[in-house]
Amino acid sequence: SQQGEEDPQALSIQEGENATMNCSYKTSINNLQWYRQNSGRGLVHLILIRSNEREKHSGRLRVTLDTSKKSSSLLITASRAADTASYFCATLTLIYSGAGSYQLTFGKGTKLSVIP
Amino acid sequence: DTAVSQTPKYLVTQMGNDKSIKCEQNLGHDTMYWYKQDSKKFLKIMFSYNNKELIINETVPNRFSPKSPDKAHLNLHINSLELGDSAVYFCASSQGQGNNEQFFGPGTRLTVL
Repeated sequence: SQQGEEDPQALSIQEGENATMNCSYKTSINNLQWYRQNSGRGLVHLILIRSNEREKHSGRLRVTLDTSKKSSSLLITASRAADTASYFCATLTLIYSGAGSYQLTFGKGTKLSVIP
Repeated sequence: DTAVSQTPKYLVTQMGNDKSIKCEQNLGHDTMYWYKQDSKKFLKIMFSYNNKELIINETVPNRFSPKSPDKAHLNLHINSLELGDSAVYFCASSQGQGNNEQFFGPGTRLTVL
């Protein structure tokens, strides 16, 4: 079943503005990850936040996690045209405790367009 | 150097055929995955495989079978291809399954006619 739900589905902003994308999920997680996908390409990992963390920064990226609300947000500051891509949140959950097996479940993504 | 590579990049074939997609990673990771991304960009896990165990997603038809000759390779074989199998298939790898990022290949766009 689908775990992460990104909001909005599409976002269009001017270069230099900040972009905020939200993700909600349904079950307990081990961690939450954000990935980026350029058109016709594979996914690239951006940032990982563990379930016991509340905020994390990486360059122009800021991720927050609220496990009580089962939600996360990705903020891209001072956006650039090169940030144009689809952004996916993915939740890592334990599926088989005996074998220690985890599964990464992706949302449908937010398509970000940054206009020069 | 490509970390996770897949071949072919594009695959066009007739319904009913059997085809394979190959994946190789040179990162020394012990866990590899296959994902399917449909036309609506929804990415769904199909299989995860490490040197201990193959985890099969119950929603994947048994026409799909992963084969791992060694830790660096995880191939996907598909029997009796159907129109609904048309999608982009991504291979990925990670070190362990827990708190580590996954590295994705460039994808294989499969079109079934």
